[in-house]
This record gives sequence, C-alpha cells and structure tokens, in this order.
Amino acid sequence: DGGITQSPKYLFRKEGQNVTLSCEQNLNHDAMYWYRQDPGQGLRLIYYSQIVNDFQKGDIAEGYSVSREKKESFPLTVTSAQKNPTAFYLCASSWGRGINQPQHFGDGTRLSIL
Amino acid sequence: AQKITQTQPGMFVQEKEAVTLDCTYDTSDQSYGLFWYKQPSSGEMIFLIYQGSYDEQNATEGRYSLNFQKARKSANLVISASQLGDSAMYFCAMREGETGGGADGLTFGKGTHLIIQP
Repeated sequence: DGGITQSPKYLFRKEGQNVTLSCEQNLNHDAMYWYRQDPGQGLRLIYYSQIVNDFQKGDIAEGYSVSREKKESFPLTVTSAQKNPTAFYLCASSWGRGINQPQHFGDGTRLSIL
Repeated sequence: AQKITQTQPGMFVQEKEAVTLDCTYDTSDQSYGLFWYKQPSSGEMIFLIYQGSYDEQNATEGRYSLNFQKARKSANLVISASQLGDSAMYFCAMREGETGGGADGLTFGKGTHLIIQP
C-alpha cells in the first residue's frame, strides 16, 4: 500500500538533546512538508521541500533542521535550540506545488520532554 | 490577522442530521485552493474535499459538500446524514497562489471539534 510512514510514534527528548523524526513516503510525490500541532490548535508549517536537495523554511523553522537527500525521505531534526519542542509532528507529501494538490499525511509523532 | 477562521470550537449534532462547519478565509490572491481535513482522535489527517477559487460549482465528495461563497470568502463544509464515525476535529485549510507571499504549505484554521450523538 502506498502511503507515508512516520516513526517513531512517540519520542522523548532530554534537555540539550537533538532528536530526529523520520518520514518516508512511497507515493512518488515530489513535495514533502513538516507541520507542528499544539493542543487545540491547527497545524503550522515548519519546513517544506519541492525537490531533492532543496528545502525552504516555513513559518516556524527556528530550532529545527531538515534534509532531503532522497525523494522518499524527509527527516526532521528537533535541535536543542527549540525551547518548546513538546508537540505533535505531522509529515505530509503532495504531487507538486499546484494549489489544487491535496497534501497526504502520515500518522504523526508525539514528542515530549523528559 | 488570521488567514483561516473557524468560529465553532465545538459542535454537538444528533446522528443522521446534517451539519455545517463554518470557515472564512482571507487572501488577496485571485488563485487559491481550499481544503477540508478530518482528524480523528488517533491523530492522522484525512483529506476530505477540495475547492478551487475558479471553480464555479460547489465541490462534492460523497456525504461531504462545500458551500463556497467567494464574495463572502466563505467555504463551509456540509456533512449530510451524520454518522457516529464522523466525530472528530475538522480543519479548514488554504493554499495561496504563486503571489501569495507566504510559505508553500497549507495554512490551517484552529479547527472545530464535532461530536455526533446517538
């Protein structure tokens, strides 16, 4: 089955530690995205990538980093510079950047601070 | 200013009734897309329906339809014959055209928590 796989489902971070969230898709989509969701809120865009080896900052990129070395993979690193990392993180992908392209989402990763 | 406004934080609806979830948006672009997503308690985001700014007909997908009023910048989701499984958070989202000036992802509202009662 085609889809987007995020791992792990739950992740705990110690103070001062970097952690990496995995996102893999087998939909052959060009574009991939990372969003953050806080309780009772909508999603906010962290980073996006339209093509391999290229990515752009979203609205809340500070304290995060990404890479796009393969079309299928778009990992997100939450660095120690992100002072409030506790949130639900969702990865998405779409065929391209057209306004009519729906984004398809993974099941998310819940990150908490120990 | 909020680009997507969902004014109903929560709604209770009787099973089998129709329900309308409100969404208003703000953009200066002529070309944009509007999306509705469903988020069950498990957390995944499920794409429901899309409406383009140039589409003259309201979008429909099974029990979902979109009441698009462009002049009022309104894109309400209508669910007909609601079912217990429709209980979830519902998010309205927008993607602006090339001149939108923002990032290339979707801009989301804060959502409406819909609870269907038997």
